[in-house]
Amino acid sequence: NAGVTQTPKFQVLKTGQSMTLQCAQDMNHEYMSWYRQDPGMGLRLIHYSVGAGITDQGEVPNGYNVSRSTTEDFPLRLLSAAPSQTSVYFCASSPQTDPEWGAFWYSYEQYFGPGTRLTVT
Amino acid sequence: QKEVEQDPGPLSVPEGAIVSLNCTYSNSAFQYFMWYRQYSRKGPELLMYTYSSGNKEDGRFTAQVDKSSKYISLFIRDSQPSDSATYLCAMRMTSNTGNQFYFGTGTSLTVIP
Repeated sequence: NAGVTQTPKFQVLKTGQSMTLQCAQDMNHEYMSWYRQDPGMGLRLIHYSVGAGITDQGEVPNGYNVSRSTTEDFPLRLLSAAPSQTSVYFCASSPQTDPEWGAFWYSYEQYFGPGTRLTVT
Repeated sequence: QKEVEQDPGPLSVPEGAIVSLNCTYSNSAFQYFMWYRQYSRKGPELLMYTYSSGNKEDGRFTAQVDKSSKYISLFIRDSQPSDSATYLCAMRMTSNTGNQFYFGTGTSLTVIP
């Protein structure tokens, strides 16, 4: 298994440009999420999805869009990039069965991708 | 106030030392408590998790949770240079729409040979 893959690894954008960060997983995980990591702020949840066709907002969703058309892929779209979106972006996926609570809850385990370093000038 | 507070360090210890890393939290709805390790320019990887108050051991690592004080700790015994990394605490809250995870800012640890 490749696990969680992210592309690109690095990206430089100008203010106002748009782009899509790609995330894919081959572990058949239903739960997928996007985080950004900034110095002094830690990892903050942007959006998450509990399955194809279902998405929800996290802690810092403004400026980002997501959709989930397949179990494997969860792209993150920046519609109009701003310097405040300069960050390292991580995608994560999680199995659908919690070892403690069984099939009723999604697991506590998250598997992270290698990250995308985005700079907006 | 942040949901999860963690001292960012940096922390520098000699090889063989016992390391103590701590986080506090404010939301009683958190159910799972996790520690992730993140090497430079890599994604975080799950190190340990706990569900209930008390201690949980895994080799040289011990995770401790005190729900009454809203305080969690990670202890590393006989620290090794390979333990040099950033350690993030994380907490899970579950709602009808799924899990939400909240992370601390991370503590940077260097173990000096």
